[in-house]
Amino acid sequence: DAGVIQSPRHEVTEMGQEVTLRCKPISGHNSLFWYRQTMMRGLELLIYFNNNVPIDDSGMPEDRFSAKMPNASFSTLKIQPSEPRDSAVYFCASSHPGPLRGYTFGSGTRLTVV
Amino acid sequence: GDSVTQMEGPVTLSEEAFLTINCTYTATGYPSLFWYVQYPGEGLQLLLKATKADDKGSNKGFEATYRKETTSFHLEKGSVQVSDSAVYFCALSGYSGNTPLVFGKGTRLSVIA
Repeated sequence: DAGVIQSPRHEVTEMGQEVTLRCKPISGHNSLFWYRQTMMRGLELLIYFNNNVPIDDSGMPEDRFSAKMPNASFSTLKIQPSEPRDSAVYFCASSHPGPLRGYTFGSGTRLTVV
Repeated sequence: GDSVTQMEGPVTLSEEAFLTINCTYTATGYPSLFWYVQYPGEGLQLLLKATKADDKGSNKGFEATYRKETTSFHLEKGSVQVSDSAVYFCALSGYSGNTPLVFGKGTRLSVIA
């Protein structure tokens, strides 16, 4: 089991550019979550999917943020255009249902917008 | 809505000291409770969990007991090591794994030799 795989690990981009973060969940997990972590705000839930369907995107800060999950093994989080205040670590996590449920996090993408 | 409150840090302890990090929660129904640990520059790793009242989760010398009567899930370790220095997050989820984790703000622990 390779765990939740995120790419890239680090991204440095200029303000105004489009940024795409990628996530591959654990096979068999049917829920996927995107979180953002900053010193000021801690861990914030941005959006989550069940069975590839977006369930709650109320945490997405602005229309500049969008997320897709075209199939069970891939999700993207896109920021267009990016701004310096988007600089953060973005985590993807996946989970399986049931009483023994587990949530597994990826290693995160550290985004710096200059 | 559901929420988690954990003690503010940072916490600084000497090696071999006893550790307690307090965590209380507010939730409807019967949540599952978790402790995650984040080492510097890394992602969140599950440390331990408990899915029902009176369950005790344990791992790597850490333990926490799900106390429904006090809505608490305090993390304890009898003798901390320098390698335990990290940020610890208390979290809860609904009954189904299809709902997001709700996190506390995290407690930074520094253990000095």
